[in-house]
Amino acid sequence: NAGVTQTPKFQVLKTGQSMTLQCAQDMNHNSMYWYRQDPGMGLRLIYYSASEGTTDKGEVPNGYNVSRLNKREFSLRLESAAPSQTSVYFCASSSGQGFYNEQFFGPGTRLTVL
Amino acid sequence: GIQVEQSPPDLILQEGANSTLRCNFSDSVNNLQWFHQNPWGQLINLFYIPSGTKQNGRLSATTVATERYSLLYISSSQTTDSGVYFCAVLSGGSNYKLTFGKGTLLTVNP
Repeated sequence: NAGVTQTPKFQVLKTGQSMTLQCAQDMNHNSMYWYRQDPGMGLRLIYYSASEGTTDKGEVPNGYNVSRLNKREFSLRLESAAPSQTSVYFCASSSGQGFYNEQFFGPGTRLTVL
Repeated sequence: GIQVEQSPPDLILQEGANSTLRCNFSDSVNNLQWFHQNPWGQLINLFYIPSGTKQNGRLSATTVATERYSLLYISSSQTTDSGVYFCAVLSGGSNYKLTFGKGTLLTVNP
C-alpha cells in the first residue's frame, strides 16, 4: 500500500497564477483532509471531506477550494495564488468511522509563491 | 477552540539519554495523536492515544484525559530520533478537526 500520495512534491508559482494539488489514498478511508504548515507552527486545517460527496471548511479556508473527486482522491485548488500561501501542504486521510479516527499523512507539497 | 500547548519547545540531548515531552490541552478530547516530523518533513504516526498508556519499542506515551495532558517518553535516544514531535487532538464533538500544538524540536547529538 502506498498510503497517502501527493503531487507535485515542489511547486513555484507567481502571484496570481492558479494550480491544483492532488491527493490520493489507497486505504479505503472515508475522510480526507488538507492542512498547511508554516514555519515554527503546527499544521492547520484548510478543508476536509468527511465522506465522498461532502466538503467542509476548516480553520483557514480563505483563498482555497477543494474537490472530492471520488473516495480515493481529494484535490486542493488555489485560484489566484498569493505570497501568503507559501507553505507546505499536507493531505491526510482517516477511516472516519466513529471516534476511532486516526489520521495518516502524505509526504507534503512545498509551495512557493513569488 | 481548544488550545494545545507543548513543552519544552526545544530539547537537545546526547545519544543514549532519556526524555519526556509534554502536551497539555484545554478541553476534553476524543482523540490524541503523537507524530514525529523527521528532518525531511515527513509526518510519522507514533501513537493514537486518547487515554491510557502505550509502548512501541523505545517510545511510550501516556494520556491522562481527566487531567488534560499527555506525555511522550523517549528512552535511549538515537540521532534518528531528531526532528519535531507534534501532539494533535480532536475535540468539541468533532471527529475530524485535528488541532496541533506547535511542537517540540528535538536534537540528538552523537
